Amino acid sequence: GENVEQHPSTLSVQEGDSAVIKCTYSDSASNYFPWYKQELGKGPQLIIDIRSNVGEKKDQRIAVTLNKTAKHFSLHITETQPEDSAVYFCAASMGGSQGNLIFGKGTKLSVKP
Amino acid sequence: DTAVSQTPKYLVTQMGNDKSIKCEQNLGHDTMYWYKQDSKKFLKIMFSYNNKELIINETVPNRFSPKSPDKAHLNLHINSLELGDSAVYFCASSSGGTYSPLHFGNGTRLTVT
Repeated sequence: GENVEQHPSTLSVQEGDSAVIKCTYSDSASNYFPWYKQELGKGPQLIIDIRSNVGEKKDQRIAVTLNKTAKHFSLHITETQPEDSAVYFCAASMGGSQGNLIFGKGTKLSVKP
Repeated sequence: DTAVSQTPKYLVTQMGNDKSIKCEQNLGHDTMYWYKQDSKKFLKIMFSYNNKELIINETVPNRFSPKSPDKAHLNLHINSLELGDSAVYFCASSSGGTYSPLHFGNGTRLTVT
């Protein structure tokens, strides 16, 4: 079945460094790729998303890139801060299924001051 | 102020019992969802409702029954609880459509003993 692979499962960086999380998807019909941040005891919150007709999108310190041919997309966080520490999930839409997102298994990001 | 609220936040119960989790959204969204997050943080869709109509029903035991009295509410009733049902259950909503982001509640941690 369709799935989304996410790497790494844990990532530790020094404050100010960059962090990169990578995902690959299997469903060729996927056309929407959101990223969520989940803090302890809270629900996932959307931080950025990208559609399949766009190769890159940036929002302040966060950027996402998409390579449709290779079926992979990545999250880039620059100038990391301790408050960026959380679990990050990538997701891909299941083709033709409104709102049915397949999530990656998450990356626990720790930013050390 | 809370966009998607679910109650209770914690639920501890014994095997065999029946329990319900309630969800309400004040975003005016047409579509609501239930997701399950297991102990390894894996997020998986269970159900989706659009305007009180069931849209997605993933492979979930029929002990789980969603009910949507109106488009702002989606409750989850679980019969004959089993140990394996222990997880965090998230309610979410969206305006519907492929590119609509999900707005999650803060989850209900269910522990079955």
